[in-house]
Amino acid sequence: DAKTTQPTSMDCAEGRAANLPCNHSTISGNEYVYWYRQIHSQGPQYIIHGLKNNETNEMASLIITEDRKSSTLILPHATLRDTAVYYCIVNLGSARQLTFGSGTQLTVLP
Amino acid sequence: EAGVTQSPTHLIKTRGQQATLRCSPISGHTSVYWYQQALGLGLQFLLWYDEGEERNRGNFPPRFSGRQFPNYSSELNVNALELEDSALYLCASSLRDRGSSEAFFGQGTRLTVV
Repeated sequence: DAKTTQPTSMDCAEGRAANLPCNHSTISGNEYVYWYRQIHSQGPQYIIHGLKNNETNEMASLIITEDRKSSTLILPHATLRDTAVYYCIVNLGSARQLTFGSGTQLTVLP
Repeated sequence: EAGVTQSPTHLIKTRGQQATLRCSPISGHTSVYWYQQALGLGLQFLLWYDEGEERNRGNFPPRFSGRQFPNYSSELNVNALELEDSALYLCASSLRDRGSSEAFFGQGTRLTVV
């Protein structure tokens, strides 16, 4: 699986958009980009995933660059409950287990 | 629809004992994954089961083992417990198809070895 690089930590003001970047320069053509988050001591929560096109759901938007070497997770209106570690994972889909890196600690400030 | 359920929530064992952790996947999911998360550390992949077979294994000693039952539920067994086995053990399930099915996690079992 391709490796990912994420900032260690980020802050965001409550009500503002949180933009979390991820670099995956060695991604292959059939690998997906997944985002999960983990709130302290809870099980990770699936957020969104995509292959080539930008994706949006009720939680977030995923913007993937045209060359697929990086992506950005956007939480449009961050709340205090969005404070968590966010993991960007590149994976072949359901045929392999997910490999978690260190993620980005997002802190939403009041 | 019920999510992934794990039991027990907490488990306290003595060094050298055996621990058994259980996981029930989301209905219709055939793949079950186990992860270990020691305090302050990342999620480490342990085991992957699908259709009753072990599909892949992480870098853990053989005393970590498991199985998947015909109803797709799974057990993780840890033999000869060591203090370093104290961790949050997480189970996830997914559909195993050719696409990009996401995995859903349970809330974990907190194992404490004393």
